[in-house]
Amino acid sequence: DQQVKQNSPSLSVQEGRISILNCDYTNSMFDYFLWYKKYPAEGPTFLISISSIKDKNEDGRFTVFLNKSAKHLSLHIVPSQPGDSAVYFCAASAKSGAQKLVFGQGTRLTINP
Amino acid sequence: GAGVSQSPSNKVTEKGKDVELRCDPISGHTALYWYRQSLGQGLEFLIYFQGNSAPDKSGLPSDRFSAERTGGSVSTLTIQRTQQEDSAVYLCASSSGPNGELFFGEGSRLTVL
Repeated sequence: DQQVKQNSPSLSVQEGRISILNCDYTNSMFDYFLWYKKYPAEGPTFLISISSIKDKNEDGRFTVFLNKSAKHLSLHIVPSQPGDSAVYFCAASAKSGAQKLVFGQGTRLTINP
Repeated sequence: GAGVSQSPSNKVTEKGKDVELRCDPISGHTALYWYRQSLGQGLEFLIYFQGNSAPDKSGLPSDRFSAERTGGSVSTLTIQRTQQEDSAVYLCASSSGPNGELFFGEGSRLTVL
């Protein structure tokens, strides 16, 4: 039972353009959502988060959008840079689960110069 | 070091042997998590320690898996009678509390032949 799904295993974007990574979830109890970035041979690092009371959170080039009715969130990176090439994981948690995060399968983003 | 430290970074073992994976969390972090990532999958929650509370073991896949956290710091994940399906990267994370940001180690890659 995959509660958090990232249906695109990979995405290729040209440098300078917008990268959009998508994530869907099924558990309506989730109220906190996060994106993590992972380089090869390193652990995931926190990128940006959003609470269910918001529908948008922005941090520099990164913006996360949350559509609660569709149980969908997305991460926008603009402009995309070669250093953004990594695997991006979407994660979600419910208050009752503290930080027991449920992760998606990840999307490998490649930024082409 | 200042980050989460895991050892060994790579472990190859024969089916049926026991293995121990170690995690040194960030000093002062009260929460510690174990996740694993199998090939092509997202991060799967295994177990969560918070302070002196009883651990949340709800993610452990079988009774061959166990973990302990001694003195509220270092944690050891033990897999008994390893099976080939146990092959994965085992990631440890720590946080300053139940709602703090998770900081991940680089992981221990386990290969069961």
